[in-house]
Amino acid sequence: GAVVSQHPSWVICKSGTSVKIECRSLDFQATTMFWYRQFPKQSLMLMATSNEGSKATYEQGVEKDKFLINHASLTLSTLTVTSAHPEDSSFYICSANSGSSYEQYFGPGTRLTVT
Amino acid sequence: QQQVKQSPQSLIVQKGGISIINCAYENTAFDYFPWYQQFPGKGPALLIAIRPDVSEKKEGRFTISFNKSAKQFSLHIMDSQPGDSATYFCAASNGVAGANNLFFGTGTRLTVIP
Repeated sequence: GAVVSQHPSWVICKSGTSVKIECRSLDFQATTMFWYRQFPKQSLMLMATSNEGSKATYEQGVEKDKFLINHASLTLSTLTVTSAHPEDSSFYICSANSGSSYEQYFGPGTRLTVT
Repeated sequence: QQQVKQSPQSLIVQKGGISIINCAYENTAFDYFPWYQQFPGKGPALLIAIRPDVSEKKEGRFTISFNKSAKQFSLHIMDSQPGDSATYFCAASNGVAGANNLFFGTGTRLTVIP
């Protein structure tokens, strides 16, 4: 089956610093990747959609200058949280789609804690 | 505005029983309805999905029932096991395959008691 990985699985950073999260599709080419944020005991909130080689499309209310998304290749997308603050602490999850079917496959998530 | 409504919020079932989770949607353009299973601290895993051209799809102990006229779909877990204890999300999307976003339900926390 389709496998999506994320790195790191958890990260702690100090307030004001930036942190990068990687999302990779391991056994398929992902034409579209999605980034979600999930708070404890809540549903997934879509942050942005990215297509390889194009600028990401951000959902309303998501700061594009704070959450930088790059989809440089068909197997890699990155999310950079710039000038992180404690309120950015959350579980960040990516998903990927090959473009040839409807299925979205999710990564294992990255737990970000900003101190 | 919640595009996909899910109930119940939590569910407790005895081992061997049937777990039923329901979802409803309004957008008739939705044409793909997946269910995801999520364990604590993990990403969601695709469990089973259905397109609106069929009314039921079964994979092992998991069955999706789909009612297009009522704009409702449900997940049935037969012979529920303690290992099924997780949070389940229904979702819906529309349009060209893969190009459109998934709209998620609010989730159901299932607990299967041994």
